Amino acid sequence: EIVLTQSPATLSLSPGERATLSCGASQSVTSNYLAWYQQKPGLAPRLLIYDASNRATGIPDRFSGSGSGTDFTLTISRLEPEDFAVYYCQQSGSSPYTFGQGTKLEIK
Amino acid sequence: EVQLVESGGGLVKPGGSLRLSCAASGFTFTYAWMNWVRQAPGKGLEWVGRIKSKTDGGTTDYAAPVKGRFTISRDDSKSTLYLQMNSLKTEDTAVYYCINYKSGSGWSWGQGTLVTVSS
Repeated sequence: EIVLTQSPATLSLSPGERATLSCGASQSVTSNYLAWYQQKPGLAPRLLIYDASNRATGIPDRFSGSGSGTDFTLTISRLEPEDFAVYYCQQSGSSPYTFGQGTKLEIK
Repeated sequence: EVQLVESGGGLVKPGGSLRLSCAASGFTFTYAWMNWVRQAPGKGLEWVGRIKSKTDGGTTDYAAPVKGRFTISRDDSKSTLYLQMNSLKTEDTAVYYCINYKSGSGWSWGQGTLVTVSS
């Protein structure tokens, strides 16, 4: 099973700042099948990035994904107030599919 | 547009059973590999299991905590995915989502259905 470790657990930043979230895999993720989600309380996760670097439909271009193999990054170039939420990574390169434990992005 | 609508959640006693459904539309369900994911209250996301398309063998995979208790099936004629949950435990309490990956557009999620296991 591929274990995904997200860091940091909590990130405190101000609107307008740049956010860098990391997701490390215990083994290489096949075909870079790595997705990023944003989740707010009471709502289903919202897909931001799929296949490591492809932005999902309707996602603002301030969100970008990068990385390959075992190291992946989600970058939010300039934080907007609505970006403060919990973020998860997910690998679907090999079964069992797994999720990271999440990074909480909070307002400083 | 892909739509996934889960139903069948509710309150069940420990040791009981429940069957969830997920009605799919907006894509060719017959060829889709379908998944269930859950989220316990205040916790992170957990993959539950997957069923391949019949053309790819129709086989299933499960996460360790549910293997032997949960069964995923599909009815391609109804574009519907199922999750049969037996021998339910309090730790199975969660919102259950069905999700689907489509090449070129990524993952789609339903709105989820809440399962509460409590005496």
